[in-house]
Amino acid sequence: DQQVKQNSPSLSVQEGRISILNCDYTNSMFDYFLWYKKYPAEGPTFLISISSIKDKNEDGRFTVFLNKSAKHLSLHIVPSQPGDSAVYFCAASAGGGADGLTFGKGTHLIIQP
Amino acid sequence: DTAVSQTPKYLVTQMGNDKSIKCEQNLGHDTMYWYKQDSKKFLKIMFSYNNKELIINETVPNRFSPKSPDKAHLNLHINSLELGDSAVYFCASSHGAGGPGSFGPGTRLTVT
Repeated sequence: DQQVKQNSPSLSVQEGRISILNCDYTNSMFDYFLWYKKYPAEGPTFLISISSIKDKNEDGRFTVFLNKSAKHLSLHIVPSQPGDSAVYFCAASAGGGADGLTFGKGTHLIIQP
Repeated sequence: DTAVSQTPKYLVTQMGNDKSIKCEQNLGHDTMYWYKQDSKKFLKIMFSYNNKELIINETVPNRFSPKSPDKAHLNLHINSLELGDSAVYFCASSHGAGGPGSFGPGTRLTVT
């Protein structure tokens, strides 16, 4: 039962353009959402998060949008840079997250020069 | 300095053996976790632990047991290893529960 879904296994974007990574969730108890970035042979690193009381959070080139009614969130990266090439994981937690995070399967973002 | 470290990075062993993976964090976090990334690339929580409470994902076989000698360490012991245990295991830590968390580099376990 996939409670967090990232339906695009990979995404190719030209350098300088906007990258949009999508994530859907099914558990209405989720109230905190996170994006992680992962390079090969390394652990995931935290990128940006959003609480369910907000619909947008911005940090530099990264913006996360949350649509609670659609149970959908997206990560926008603009402008995309070669170093952004990595696997991006969407994750969610509920009620303080004592049970840890529930991760999506990841989307491999490839930035083309 | 590495924030969350795991040893070993690679572990190859035979079915039936008992093995341990060590994890240390120097971030002063109070909560530590073990995640398993299976062949389908899903990262799934196995355990979360702080100095008060161990929460176990009920789908984790009891052959897996976390051991925490102190707040900075959470080791993972696995008894009677099976082929299906082959995966990458990530340790993580956070202030409080739920993340965002810092992850270790992962331990690739291969059971033959």
